[in-house]
Amino acid sequence: DAKTTQPPSMDCAEGRAANLPCNHSTISGNEYVYWYRQIHSQGPQYIIHGLKNNETNEMASLIITEDRKSSTLILPHATLRDTAVYYCIVRVAVGNEKLTFGTGTRLTIIP
Amino acid sequence: GAVVSQHPSRVICKSGTSVKIECRSLDFQATTMFWYRQFPKQSLMLMATSNEGSKATYEQGVEKDKFLINHASLTLSTLTVTSAHPEDSSFYICSAEAGGGATDTQYFGPGTRLTVL
Repeated sequence: DAKTTQPPSMDCAEGRAANLPCNHSTISGNEYVYWYRQIHSQGPQYIIHGLKNNETNEMASLIITEDRKSSTLILPHATLRDTAVYYCIVRVAVGNEKLTFGTGTRLTIIP
Repeated sequence: GAVVSQHPSRVICKSGTSVKIECRSLDFQATTMFWYRQFPKQSLMLMATSNEGSKATYEQGVEKDKFLINHASLTLSTLTVTSAHPEDSSFYICSAEAGGGATDTQYFGPGTRLTVL
């Protein structure tokens, strides 16, 4: 069963902020929200993860709603190299839990 | 971030031969590694979970005798595709779990593209 729902595709102008939404209405209390991206013909790249507080690192920001049923990944200044498929995944963060990939969002950065 | 390597990056083999793919965690130890397969225009599908020093756990529908997994050390797991056939042609990706903190994170290798003629 899919635990997350993402739009299949999005476009964003180069230099603008890219906001990628994800719905996870059945998330459990001990599950984290993880974001990965996959550039064509490469392995997935870890971006960020969070439980309930907003998180920021050098790549992106993660905004999680108070009820934790949805989140948004923000790439503050998108570049052409950010063109990729972005995956939102929920999972327990300890105990070597597997990642279940959905279909993700294909983000295209427009010059 | 943690680095995971895979070797080879690309392999072409004849039908009926076996192919071994290596997955290494370069700057951390991983008691658990995962093997995924990705067909064109599809998402990653987990094949098996590899645990150091014990037998791998295979997902439903994955033949354990065809896809042999060995996790002999905390930094190396290998996947051997035995008696490969054209339908085994795919992109094989491994990941390694980096823990030790409050949460665990999986880091992925660059992938191995297997083409079986």
